[in-house]
Amino acid sequence: EAGVAQSPRYKIIEKRQSVAFWCNPISGHATLYWYQQILGQGPKLLIQFQNNGVVDDSQLPKDRFSAERLKGVDSTLKIQPAKLEDSAVYLCASSLVYGTPLFGNTIYFGEGSWLTVV
Amino acid sequence: QQQVKQSPQSLIVQKGGISIINCAYENTAFDYFPWYQQFPGKGPALLIAIRPDVSEKKEGRFTISFNKSAKQFSLHIMDSQPGDSATYFCAASRANQGGKLIFGQGTELSVKP
Repeated sequence: EAGVAQSPRYKIIEKRQSVAFWCNPISGHATLYWYQQILGQGPKLLIQFQNNGVVDDSQLPKDRFSAERLKGVDSTLKIQPAKLEDSAVYLCASSLVYGTPLFGNTIYFGEGSWLTVV
Repeated sequence: QQQVKQSPQSLIVQKGGISIINCAYENTAFDYFPWYQQFPGKGPALLIAIRPDVSEKKEGRFTISFNKSAKQFSLHIMDSQPGDSATYFCAASRANQGGKLIFGQGTELSVKP
């Protein structure tokens, strides 16, 4: 079974430039998450989708970050304009259904997209 | 707002020893407590998880101990191996927030041969 696919794996941009990351979740997974992992910290949820609808974007800096999940499958996370503090790994994750992971609804992570803003 | 606190930040253990990582949480509404393992350049992978109505769960060399009254849980790695060297994250979630995970800060484990 293919895992969560992300691209690009690495990106270096200058501050105030824009960048976009793409995620393809595990086939059939309805719920998709974007997490931000700053070096030395645990991942922090940015946005959560159920199919193509947003269920939680409370920690997404909406003045510069945007995300969409057209057709309820692939998702794109965009940053514009980037700041130095956006340097992080952006992890995409997916789970079969929207709901607690308690009963086998495991959350699977991709390998991440590494962003360096200089 | 830090809701899950993890310690230690780093840990060095000899091969064959026991690795112990601790986490404390604040929100009593959490009802799922997983541990994730992350190797350099990879995404976190679920290692083992526990519900608050269970005091201990064991899977192979990995054991979670859960203390509901103290709001603490820990990961024990028995017979630690060099291949266990990775960063370990505890996390917590609430049923009414879907799969939103609140992660601890992580523990970098190094197992020396």
